[in-house]
Amino acid sequence: EAQVTQNPRYLITVTGKKLTVTCSQNMNHEYMSWYRQDPGLGLRQIYYSMNVEVTDKGDVPEGYKVSRKEKRNFPLILESPSPNQTSLYFCASRLHYRGYQPQHFGDGTRLSIL
Amino acid sequence: AQTVTQSQPEMSVQEAETVTLSCTYDTSESDYYLFWYKQPPSRQMILVIRQEAYKQQNATENRFSVNFQKAAKSFSLKISDSQLGDAAMYFCAYRSPPEGAGGTSYGKLTFGQGTILTVHP
Repeated sequence: EAQVTQNPRYLITVTGKKLTVTCSQNMNHEYMSWYRQDPGLGLRQIYYSMNVEVTDKGDVPEGYKVSRKEKRNFPLILESPSPNQTSLYFCASRLHYRGYQPQHFGDGTRLSIL
Repeated sequence: AQTVTQSQPEMSVQEAETVTLSCTYDTSESDYYLFWYKQPPSRQMILVIRQEAYKQQNATENRFSVNFQKAAKSFSLKISDSQLGDAAMYFCAYRSPPEGAGGTSYGKLTFGQGTILTVHP
């Protein structure tokens, strides 16, 4: 089954404790991205990747890192999480950054930073 | 930068009736893509319908249709014969092709704030 898998689905942690949210897709998609969803703001892009070893900042990259060492994986790293990063996070992928293909989303990760 | 505005934080509809969700956007580009996504309580993001700006014909998917008014930069979603399963948060989203003005968006989706739809039995 074609899917984007995020882990964990829920995480409660404390300020400053490094964490990684994993994202994996099995569709051989080139384009992957991370979004955060906050009430009244919709979804905002954090980082994106057009292919292996090609990543760039989205609209709200502060406090986050990403890497794309393999095509299928695109982890989101919070090196020193802070309470303002409490949010719902989505990983998404699509075949290519060009074109009209729909974006496939993971099921979301609810992060709470205390 | 492109912006997407959904001016209705909440809407409600009776089962079997029709409801329209509003979306407006701001862009200087002539070619782009527009989408409506549904997010039920399960949090999944489900693509409902999509529209290419250069196509004048409004997209339709079963009970879902759009009213795309390019000059007015409006992209509303009409749900006919509403069902209880339609209850969800709905997001409007804009995407410019990489070849568009500025050429740096690399296919980013810009989302509206969302509209919560309640369906009453």
